[in-house]
Amino acid sequence: AQSVTQLGSHVSVSEGALVLLRCNYSSSVPPYLFWYVQYPNQGLQLLLKYTSAATLVKGINGFEAEFKKSETSFHLTKPSAHMSDAAEYFCAVTVNAGKSTFGDGTTLTVKP
Amino acid sequence: NAGVMQNPRHLVRRRGQEARLRCSPMKGHSHVYWYRQLPEEGLKFMVYLQKENIIDESGMPKERFSAEFPKEGPSILRIQQVVRGDSAAYFCASSPSLGAGTGELFFGEGSRLTVL
Repeated sequence: AQSVTQLGSHVSVSEGALVLLRCNYSSSVPPYLFWYVQYPNQGLQLLLKYTSAATLVKGINGFEAEFKKSETSFHLTKPSAHMSDAAEYFCAVTVNAGKSTFGDGTTLTVKP
Repeated sequence: NAGVMQNPRHLVRRRGQEARLRCSPMKGHSHVYWYRQLPEEGLKFMVYLQKENIIDESGMPKERFSAEFPKEGPSILRIQQVVRGDSAAYFCASSPSLGAGTGELFFGEGSRLTVL
């Protein structure tokens, strides 16, 4: 069985500051890993995905994530936060292209 | 290209009534997933279906909840005799057939159920 832990249910940064959202996973087989973003009253949109190719994955809106097998981590980063980045972010793990298991989410607040 | 379509977007029911939520997957997608999101919580897997088959229903409550994905028409999540604890956002997602994708899910905008 797979699982995901997102450390920190709320993260607050100033506009222009580094964004770091943490995700650790557990999986008995090589996983596919994803970050999704959810804006209020909307569905989830894919930010980026790791599918066993390059360990540093670049996504939309300037976000990127690095797969570290030794640390079972897949942290999401963005060098400079923008007000429009305020949203809820979910890390997810999938094995064998089946169902995805999601973390509890991290709410990102960006202060002016 | 139409994305995943869910309706209704908002549904209000009184305790004991039935709720039916519909989901049309993206064109060309044959896999449908239902997730529930309670207030201030993450997404919890409920059920995974292919056309006319339930593949994994390990997240479905044993009673009152059912799901189907018929050969023709949308997938339907049915909740009988709703209770206040069923109030949540229900999200549908779809994906291509196995082997044609990498596990990425395409989400609808959700159906928000309120039970009075």
